[in-house]
Amino acid sequence: DIQMTQSPSSLSASVGDRVTITCRASQSISSYLNWYQQKPGKAPKVLIYVASSLQSGVPSRFSGSGSGTDFILTISSLQPEDFATYYCQQTYSTPITFGQGTRLEIK
Amino acid sequence: QVQLVQSGAEVKKPGASVKVSCKASGYTFTGYDINWVRQATGQGLEWMGWMSPNSGNTGYAQKFQGRVTMTRKTSISTAYMELSSLRSEDTAVYYCARGGSGSWFDPWGQGTLVTVSS
Repeated sequence: DIQMTQSPSSLSASVGDRVTITCRASQSISSYLNWYQQKPGKAPKVLIYVASSLQSGVPSRFSGSGSGTDFILTISSLQPEDFATYYCQQTYSTPITFGQGTRLEIK
Repeated sequence: QVQLVQSGAEVKKPGASVKVSCKASGYTFTGYDINWVRQATGQGLEWMGWMSPNSGNTGYAQKFQGRVTMTRKTSISTAYMELSSLRSEDTAVYYCARGGSGSWFDPWGQGTLVTVSS
């Protein structure tokens, strides 16, 4: 199975900050890496797919980069609605696996 | 709009089975795989398996092999996930999601809380 490791596990930041979350795969997954945002009591929502493509309707302050084993999600200027938990996911091979999540909190 | 609507919350006793439904609308049901993901309270996302609504083919995570069955009824654009021999550790919110290997999951159902308690 491909292990996905996110860092950090939690992060405190302020509105307007630039934030990066990293995700590392235990083996190469090409660009088959997606990022999700989840708010309490809600289903996850895709933000970025195949490493760097912005899902329709997602604000442009979200961006993704990387390929192979190392990936980054960047939020260029945090907004109040961005405080949530973020997950990376690999769909290169089954079993599909997720990172453990990064909880983004207000400082 | 494209959406997946799941059945309501369930409470089951240990050893019982639960069957969760996921009704698709706004797109061709047989054109996309359906995946099932669960999340225990305060925990991360755990993929359970996938099903092709077109062929009925399935693939399950090894952890759930022998206990999970994913099926569909194409006439009503509905997918089902049945989990048997329930134990307390199966208490979680269960989500269906469109997408699959080589793709991404979008949309997701609203989630179904399954509580296993004696």
